[in-house]
Amino acid sequence: EAGVTQFPSHSVIEKGQTVTLRCDPISGHDNLYWYRRVMGKEIKFLLHFVKESKQDESGMPNNRFLAERTGGTYSTLKVQPAELEDSGVYFCASSYAPGYEQYFGPGTRLTVT
Amino acid sequence: SQKIEQNSEALNIQEGKTATLTCNYTNYSPAYLQWYRQDPGRGPVFLLLIRENEKEKRKERLKVTFDTTLKQSLFHITASQPADSATYLCALDMNRYNFNKFYFGSGTKLNVKP
Repeated sequence: EAGVTQFPSHSVIEKGQTVTLRCDPISGHDNLYWYRRVMGKEIKFLLHFVKESKQDESGMPNNRFLAERTGGTYSTLKVQPAELEDSGVYFCASSYAPGYEQYFGPGTRLTVT
Repeated sequence: SQKIEQNSEALNIQEGKTATLTCNYTNYSPAYLQWYRQDPGRGPVFLLLIRENEKEKRKERLKVTFDTTLKQSLFHITASQPADSATYLCALDMNRYNFNKFYFGSGTKLNVKP
């Protein structure tokens, strides 16, 4: 069974540019989560989808971040325009249902210069 | 807000010994707590989940305890091996009625020397 995949693995962009991160969850997992780890800090929750619906986006830093999950399959996280403080590792995770274990992807390392 | 404390200093132990990692939390009491393993350049990998009404949980060489009075969880790896070297994270639910959001600790790095 394929795990959670994320693309790209690394992205280096300049301040002010736009970047789109993609996450493909495990097939059959309706719940999809985005997390972020900024250098030296702990992993922090960004938002949660159930199928194509956003259940909770309380962790999103600001309106420069937009997450979508059209069709309830893969999800994208767009940062526009990117700022220096957006640098970090963005993780995606999926689970079968709330309260079940979450399976994490390898992460996308975003560097904003 | 919830605060989770894990020892930021690396834990160095000899192969074959038992490694014990600590996770302390403040403020509200979570309904359950999870432990993850993370290797460099990889995402966290789920290891164990323990609920508030469970004192102890075991899985092969792993054991987790959950003391809601002390607000503490201990994670043990018995008969440790060099392959157990990694960073171990604890995570708590952020809302007792919503098991979808988690607070993560910063993790403790474990080094098992042969």
